[in-house]
Amino acid sequence: QKEVEQNSGPLSVPEGAIASLNCTYSDRGSQSFFWYRQYSGKSPELIMSIYSNGDKEDGRFTAQLNKASQYVSLLIRDSQPSDSATYLCASTGGGGSYIPTFGRGTSLIVHP
Amino acid sequence: EAGVTQFPSHSVIEKGQTVTLRCDPISGHDNLYWYRRVMGKEIKFLLHFVKESKQDESGMPNNRFLAERTGGTYSTLKVQPAELEDSGVYFCASSQEDLMGLSSYNEQFFGPGTRLTVL
Repeated sequence: QKEVEQNSGPLSVPEGAIASLNCTYSDRGSQSFFWYRQYSGKSPELIMSIYSNGDKEDGRFTAQLNKASQYVSLLIRDSQPSDSATYLCASTGGGGSYIPTFGRGTSLIVHP
Repeated sequence: EAGVTQFPSHSVIEKGQTVTLRCDPISGHDNLYWYRRVMGKEIKFLLHFVKESKQDESGMPNNRFLAERTGGTYSTLKVQPAELEDSGVYFCASSQEDLMGLSSYNEQFFGPGTRLTVL
């Protein structure tokens, strides 16, 4: 059974610090990886996608993928209180499937 | 551009009753997905429509769940009769036509969800 594992948190960081969110996946055939941000009571919003090994940067966000270790991470630089949310990791592509497998999410709290 | 909308936002029903959830995808999106998140668990796939056709319904838990997408626009998900374990948040998502044949890469836009409570 395909699984995506995340630490539920909460992860608490001070404003301005780097928040590091981690995710591991069980399906070695997974090809695409996504990070969603979900504010309480709102819809999950895609913030990063990554398909190849290495780092991908977009503004204050950096996604890192290591397929050999089956590990994906999201770094948020200069964390702001508005970044406080639940971050969902998801993967697709294992066995040709385009349906994402989600983790349970990590709660991030950025305190002033 | 309007996002994915879902109705109702909350529904509280008794065991044995019927509930119908509605999803309006982003205009022009052929792909529509239903997901469910049970408290404390991860978001899980239920089914996928391409236009009005069911492409994949492998995640539907049992035959008490019926999804339709007549005309390929909005979709409904009916639970009949509802059981206690059906409680959770039901999300709908939509994505564009897979022009490149790379369905894995199509961004899915999620709705705010319907919180269903079965008492």
